[in-house]
Amino acid sequence: AQKVTQAQTEISVVEKEDVTLDCVYETRDTTYYLFWYKQPPSGELVFLIRRNSFDEQNEISGRYSWNFQKSTSSFNFTITASQVVDSAVYFCALSHILTGGGNKLTFGTGTQLKVEL
Amino acid sequence: DTEVTQTPKHLVMGMTNKKSLKCEQHMGHRAMYWYKQKAKKPPELMFVYSYEKLSINESVPSRFSPECPNSSLLNLHLHALQPEDSALYLCASSQYQGTGVSGTTKIYGYTFGSGTRLTVV
Repeated sequence: AQKVTQAQTEISVVEKEDVTLDCVYETRDTTYYLFWYKQPPSGELVFLIRRNSFDEQNEISGRYSWNFQKSTSSFNFTITASQVVDSAVYFCALSHILTGGGNKLTFGTGTQLKVEL
Repeated sequence: DTEVTQTPKHLVMGMTNKKSLKCEQHMGHRAMYWYKQKAKKPPELMFVYSYEKLSINESVPSRFSPECPNSSLLNLHLHALQPEDSALYLCASSQYQGTGVSGTTKIYGYTFGSGTRLTVV
């Protein structure tokens, strides 16, 4: 069974602080993908990153960076120099390949990030 | 065009009404999905269509009826809903390559629409 754990329910930081959102996953699949999505109050899920299980290179995109460690089944997300616009719920998700085609995403419970001035 | 478009954005319906949610994508994605998201909860998968055929039904009540008229469109027909069905309904599409056997499928995108916020009264 697929499982994603985001232990941090809510994080509050002051603008310009760095913040790391944790994600731990469980799967028996040998091939899988991990995702991070941002969900602002308006409700849409904004895609941030997709990483496959064979690529353990860390990735940086502007103020965002991701640390994938297969040995600890973790895929953590760091925002450097946080801004008020980063305030949102962040979801980590794990894919499972469906035999009929397509992929099911199992989401963690999400982390509410509040960035204050 | 890298978007998934959902209409309407908001819907209020009575328990005896029949309504439909619509989803459209023009990215050539071959898999389309309906997810349901209750307040302060993560999205949960309802249905999967792959190459216009229903691939997965996650034990969803029959008052929800999906339809995939063509590779770009996905509908969700609603009938006799209950107040507890009030939620954000998200459509998504993805492109993949390979068979369903683990180790042979690659995902090239998984895009969500902005959702339909449904209230059942």
